[in-house]
Amino acid sequence: SQELEQSPQSLIVQEGKNLTINCTSSKTLYGLYWYKQKYGEGLIFLMMLQKGGEEKSHEKITAKLDEKKQQSSLHITASQPSHAGIYLCGADLQGAQKLVFGQGTRLTINP
Amino acid sequence: DAGVIQSPRHEVTEMGQEVTLRCKPISGHNSLFWYRQTMMRGLELLIYFNNNVPIDDSGMPEDRFSAKMPNASFSTLKIQPSEPRDSAVYFCASSPRGGTEAFFGQGTRLTVV
Repeated sequence: SQELEQSPQSLIVQEGKNLTINCTSSKTLYGLYWYKQKYGEGLIFLMMLQKGGEEKSHEKITAKLDEKKQQSSLHITASQPSHAGIYLCGADLQGAQKLVFGQGTRLTINP
Repeated sequence: DAGVIQSPRHEVTEMGQEVTLRCKPISGHNSLFWYRQTMMRGLELLIYFNNNVPIDDSGMPEDRFSAKMPNASFSTLKIQPSEPRDSAVYFCASSPRGGTEAFFGQGTRLTVV
């Protein structure tokens, strides 16, 4: 969806390095969801953010939603090969209760 | 729970043929979504249902596409007639209610030759 812009589109990092993926919308995000997808497989839910300023962590992955609820970032600390895949942000835009997604960020981890 | 179940996992068909994709959502989930994923366009929302009723089908590309949800445990996405540009991975997802996280099936990889 062009209503959600992800950056970068692809990312190659050395194992052990930190990285950040961004998701931006011009509309208010009533719910922001991060998913991970491996090639040929379905999407796996990672985290959901709803409140402005909210931050959640799971293992080495941290996601934040800004105060204005229009931008989210996903940060991976000390990346590992298991982090490789496509990361997608999805959002319920303006409470329409339908989930739309950004184009995704393809993450490659080099050993 | 087995999760969202889609069938078939792979479908190869000839142009002009009818294709039917099937989805069984997670029991108790009230919302169901159909998505299409391609390299060029990413993950596109085609249609979503709430309590078996189609709420928004604005993402359905053209009249060749139709979706039904005859009951809470089954939905179909039909393409008739199919065209090569319909080749994509089609995902079904369900959620307990609108505004909560969606759970995705493994997808159906459709190839139209």
